[in-house]
Amino acid sequence: LAKTTQPISMDSYEGQEVNITCSHNNIATNDYITWYQQFPSQGPRFIIQGYKTKVTNEVASLFIPADRKSSTLSLPRVSLSDTAVYYCLVVSGGYQKVTFGTGTKLQVIP
Amino acid sequence: DAGVIQSPRHEVTEMGQEVTLRCKPISGHDYLFWYRQTMMRGLELLIYFNNNVPIDDSGMPEDRFSAKMPNASFSTLKIQPSEPRDSAVYFCASSLGLGPVVTGKFFGPGTRLTVL
Repeated sequence: LAKTTQPISMDSYEGQEVNITCSHNNIATNDYITWYQQFPSQGPRFIIQGYKTKVTNEVASLFIPADRKSSTLSLPRVSLSDTAVYYCLVVSGGYQKVTFGTGTKLQVIP
Repeated sequence: DAGVIQSPRHEVTEMGQEVTLRCKPISGHDYLFWYRQTMMRGLELLIYFNNNVPIDDSGMPEDRFSAKMPNASFSTLKIQPSEPRDSAVYFCASSLGLGPVVTGKFFGPGTRLTVL
């Protein structure tokens, strides 16, 4: 089971691009990288998932280098409402016993 | 769609009492998950079901915890007897399919349990 490491916290000003990096050195061939967002007093919300290179949706982009040992979640032009905890997970099809860990607490400053 | 529905949203009970948490998954989803979140341990998977059948309950902390899914639209997580260390936020989530390339799990709002 691939372990992930991400910064405990980050601060950013409104309007800036935020990049949160996650390390997963022992990622397996069948593993996908998945990011969730959690606001206070709410359940986590799926943001984005990818296997390699780059994935983009209406919320974020996910950059995965060729060796797949790390990934970067990119949030364009953050606003105060993006203040949340962001979790990086490595999951494989059919295997669900994943602990979210402590995530990265992003604080957006006006 | 109303999303995943959990009840109650808050529960305060005394040590030794039985606690029952309830979850209604998103209609049509075939997987249901129960998670527990604490400051110390983060968000942990307790158990998950597929088509109402428990698949992996290895995350259930001890015999005081039990979960059932009598039908596709309802699940319960029961703690008997409850202890102060069970105080946490309990989330229920559901998904359609189990492959990694899905839109991910949909989480409910959680039940904040406080055991005095």
